[in-house]
Amino acid sequence: GNSVTQMEGPVTLSEEAFLTINCTYTATGYPSLFWYVQYPGEGLQLLLKATKADDKGSNKGFEATYRKETTSFHLEKGSVQVSDSAVYFCALSQTGANNLFFGTGTRLTVIP
Amino acid sequence: DTGVSQDPRHKITKRGQNVTFRCDPISEHNRLYWYRQTLGQGPEFLTYFQNEAQLEKSRLLSDRFSAERPKGSFSTLEIQRTEQGDSAMYLCASSSFAPSGRSYNEQFFGPGTRLTVL
Repeated sequence: GNSVTQMEGPVTLSEEAFLTINCTYTATGYPSLFWYVQYPGEGLQLLLKATKADDKGSNKGFEATYRKETTSFHLEKGSVQVSDSAVYFCALSQTGANNLFFGTGTRLTVIP
Repeated sequence: DTGVSQDPRHKITKRGQNVTFRCDPISEHNRLYWYRQTLGQGPEFLTYFQNEAQLEKSRLLSDRFSAERPKGSFSTLEIQRTEQGDSAMYLCASSSFAPSGRSYNEQFFGPGTRLTVL
């Protein structure tokens, strides 16, 4: 079946620190992979995506590389800001499928 | 484009009552999805529509749940005889569908309806 396992939180970092949130997946075939972000009081927003192996998704300074050999899609940012405080969800979608499978989410708090 | 909207944002009800939620997708989107998110978990897929047709339902969608999208625009999700286990955030998302190639159509999420069953 399909599943996503992501690093448990909460994660607390100082401003300008390096961020890594781990995500691994189980899926058949070649899924597409995503990171969604949920800011306080707001809906889920797509942060970045990668649709095939070795693709790198990037947005707002965040990056994640689709690693088929390790079934991973870790989220990284070189220098976090207070405004990055949110809950981050890793997700996958199977080719031809229509629903997303989400991880449990990782809450990030960035302190000044 | 005002994004996906959901109404109400919060609903408190007593066990055994029926509740109905509404979702208005982005106007040009032909696909609409419902998800449920419980505390500390990621969203779980419930069902989706393409235009007015309900094309897939999750095993999570028990007989007490029914969803409609009568004119292919807004959708409603009704829960009959609510139980305390139904307490969750109900999320709606929409996307446009391009039936060609191996493409993904980004799902845009609404703010959710938080249901509390007492």
